[in-house]
Amino acid sequence: KAGVTQTPRYLIKTRGQQVTLSCSPISGHRSVSWYQQTPGQGLQFLFEYFSETQRNKGNFPGRFSGRQFSNSRSEMNVSTLELGDSALYLCASSPLSGGAVGELFFGEGSRLTVL
Amino acid sequence: GESVGLHLPTLSVQEGDNSIINCAYSNSASDYFIWYKQESGKGPQFIIDIRSNMDKRQGQRVTVLLNKTVKHLSLQIAATQPGDSAVYFCAENSGGSNYKLTFGKGTLLTVNP
Repeated sequence: KAGVTQTPRYLIKTRGQQVTLSCSPISGHRSVSWYQQTPGQGLQFLFEYFSETQRNKGNFPGRFSGRQFSNSRSEMNVSTLELGDSALYLCASSPLSGGAVGELFFGEGSRLTVL
Repeated sequence: GESVGLHLPTLSVQEGDNSIINCAYSNSASDYFIWYKQESGKGPQFIIDIRSNMDKRQGQRVTVLLNKTVKHLSLQIAATQPGDSAVYFCAENSGGSNYKLTFGKGTLLTVNP
């Protein structure tokens, strides 16, 4: 069974640009979450989608947005990039629906560098 | 507020020893806790979880202990192996949602052969 796939793995952007990251969850998983990982702040929750709806949102500015498609694939977008947006962006999928707790399966991340 | 912190940022052990990684949490409403392992260049990998109605849970070579009185979580790794070398994160589900985790800063475990 294929794991969570994130593309691109590495990318370099300049301040003011925008970026779109893609995530393909494990087949059958309907919940997709996004996290930002930086050395200073660690892993921080961005948002979570289930059945194309954003169910949960973290404390990030409106420049960070996301969406989920009917096939559960998800994208996140960061507009007007800032130097501080340089980070590893991790996507995770979960097989459980509803309110049940469950294991998150993480991808290897997209490493964004903003110059 | 919601926060999860680790007592030790680094831990170095000898192969075969037992390792204990500690974590403090501050949100008394948290009802689900998870330990993740992250190897260099990879995403976090689930190790073990525990719900707030339990105080101990065992897996293969790992045990998680939860002390709600002092809001403390620990991960014990038995017979630590070089392949256990990684950064370990504790995370809590801060009550409101099961899909919004608050992660600790992480502990780097180094296993010396």
